[in-house]
Amino acid sequence: AQKVTQAQTEISVVEKEDVTLDCVYETRDTTYYLFWYKQPPSGELVFLIRRNSFDEQNEISGRYSWNFQKSTSSFNFTITASQVVDSAVYFCALSEPTGANSKLTFGKGITLSVRP
Amino acid sequence: NAGVTQTPKFQVLKTGQSMTLQCAQDMNHEYMSWYRQDPGMGLRLIHYSVGAGITDQGEVPNGYNVSRSTTEDFPLRLLSAAPSQTSVYFCASRGLAGGREQYFGPGTRLTVT
Repeated sequence: AQKVTQAQTEISVVEKEDVTLDCVYETRDTTYYLFWYKQPPSGELVFLIRRNSFDEQNEISGRYSWNFQKSTSSFNFTITASQVVDSAVYFCALSEPTGANSKLTFGKGITLSVRP
Repeated sequence: NAGVTQTPKFQVLKTGQSMTLQCAQDMNHEYMSWYRQDPGMGLRLIHYSVGAGITDQGEVPNGYNVSRSTTEDFPLRLLSAAPSQTSVYFCASRGLAGGREQYFGPGTRLTVT
């Protein structure tokens, strides 16, 4: 069975600090997909990134970067120079590879508070 | 494109009442799903569908029914509401190929008293 662990439950930083959100996953499959979603205080879920298990390149998008390491089963998310607008709950998720029926398993989320 | 829409945004029910949460998407996605979000629990899959006429159970299906008569719509029915069903409900959709990202609706906050 697949599992996603987000051991940090709440993180508080001051604006402009860098912050890393940890995600560790478990799966028996060799092909899988990993995701990060953001849930701002308004409540909607916003897709941030998808990574497949064959692509271990790190990704950078503006102030956001993701570090995928198969050797440690981790897919960590770093926000550089955090801003108040980054305050949200962040979810890491894992998808089985099996096509049409593939289901998404979520971690419990990390609440990030960025103080001015 | 409206994406994924859900109605209502808020609902209060008394124990034992029934209701239907509506979900629609205009992206021609074959896969649709319902999740519930509870504090400290993340999102848990209730039911999902891979196309019209095809539905299956997720992790927490008890107390909920679904049907899929069209590609666009995927309603979630609570047959006899219980306080344990107080939660925020999200509908999501994606393309059928495995590993695709899901797009979520705005959510319905349901309180059962």
